[in-house]
Amino acid sequence: ETGVTQSPTHLIKTRGQQVTLRCSSQSGHNTVSWYQQALGQGPQFIFQYYREEENGRGNFPPRFSGLQFPNYSSELNVNALELDDSALYLCASSFRAIGDTGELFFGEGSRLTVL
Amino acid sequence: DAKTTQPPSMDCAEGRAANLPCNHSTISGNEYVYWYRQIHSQGPQYIIHGLKNNETNEMASLIITEDRKSSTLILPHATLRDTAVYYCIVRSFGNEKLTFGTGTRLTIIP
Repeated sequence: ETGVTQSPTHLIKTRGQQVTLRCSSQSGHNTVSWYQQALGQGPQFIFQYYREEENGRGNFPPRFSGLQFPNYSSELNVNALELDDSALYLCASSFRAIGDTGELFFGEGSRLTVL
Repeated sequence: DAKTTQPPSMDCAEGRAANLPCNHSTISGNEYVYWYRQIHSQGPQYIIHGLKNNETNEMASLIITEDRKSSTLILPHATLRDTAVYYCIVRSFGNEKLTFGTGTRLTIIP
């Protein structure tokens, strides 16, 4: 158990819809990252939030957006869903100290299926 | 971040040491070697990391060659629960992002 919880665990949407995924960070962690993992692939970095601001982004379009709240929980929002958005979405929390982040602790993920 | 190369799959007998290799020939001086594993349908789990010295914790040992161009993750007494995909990742100090490859699928054989 990492202390990182994600919801929902599974969901099904149709093309064009919007989805919000939620993540509760491990206690004491101030940084949250989101990853997308397609079937058979390694996780791909979407973006990271630190002190409620986006602090790094991977190669994902603007329809992928996020929020980090004062309690360090986070949301990932995806608009205009496409079939290729079907994947496991992973949240990872970490503690950023001076200059570095430390180990990432991952949740179990939210599996999104787009029909 | 430097790219890593890992064999796609390996088998190991239960109770034996599992040695997982990783090549990272373009690693630079401020880049760490990290290992994570992912058991089926779960999130990745941190195992160990190192810069240039060998490291050991309760889960595994990490052996980094003197030129830092390759490393080996050692699980000293593999159990069936160690069956997973193992990812070797190179990450620079202060860089938040982990760049995962396709990893090594390790199967522990009873």
